[in-house]
Amino acid sequence: AQKVTQAQTEISVVEKEDVTLDCVYETRDTTYYLFWYKQPPSGELVFLIRRNSFDEQNEISGRYSWNFQKSTSSFNFTITASQVVDSAVYFCALSEPYSGAGSYQLTFGKGTKLSVIP
Amino acid sequence: GAVVSQHPSWVICKSGTSVKIECRSLDFQATTMFWYRQFPKQSLMLMATSNEGSKATYEQGVEKDKFLINHASLTLSTLTVTSAHPEDSSFYICSARDRGFGRGAADTQYFGPGTRLTVL
Repeated sequence: AQKVTQAQTEISVVEKEDVTLDCVYETRDTTYYLFWYKQPPSGELVFLIRRNSFDEQNEISGRYSWNFQKSTSSFNFTITASQVVDSAVYFCALSEPYSGAGSYQLTFGKGTKLSVIP
Repeated sequence: GAVVSQHPSWVICKSGTSVKIECRSLDFQATTMFWYRQFPKQSLMLMATSNEGSKATYEQGVEKDKFLINHASLTLSTLTVTSAHPEDSSFYICSARDRGFGRGAADTQYFGPGTRLTVL
């Protein structure tokens, strides 16, 4: 069975600080996808990144960066120089390729609420 | 990226009435759509997987006669909450799986903005 753990329930940082959101996953499959989504107070989930299990390269997109390490089953997300607009709930998720009933269903972590204080 | 719309964004109804929520993929075709329910300060709970042209697959504990799902086209799925009761009040979110033929990332779920349902 798949499982995603986001141990940090809530994090508060002062604006311009760097912050890392942790994500640890469990799966028996060798092929899978990892995702991060952002849910601002408005409620809509915004897609941030998808990572294939075969691609362990870290990725940077502006102030966002992701560190994928299969050895520790982790997919951590770092925001550099945080801003108030980064305040949201961030979800890490895992999906497996189509396997009949699976159909790329997402297994979500419980989310980490990030508050950036001005 | 891929865009998914959801309508209505909020609805208030009386107990016993039925409410229909629409989910549309605007710039890609989605053979698979998903319906979630989210309680305050909690993660998303998958209710059902909707495949175009076939019956939806419901998660354990979700009443299929209560939550009717129709996925009649490659861009539209609907969720109807039948005979709604106050305990059905929640935030309902749909998503559509982009297969990667357009601007979205392959095999990625893109989410609608959600529908807040309040049953009086």
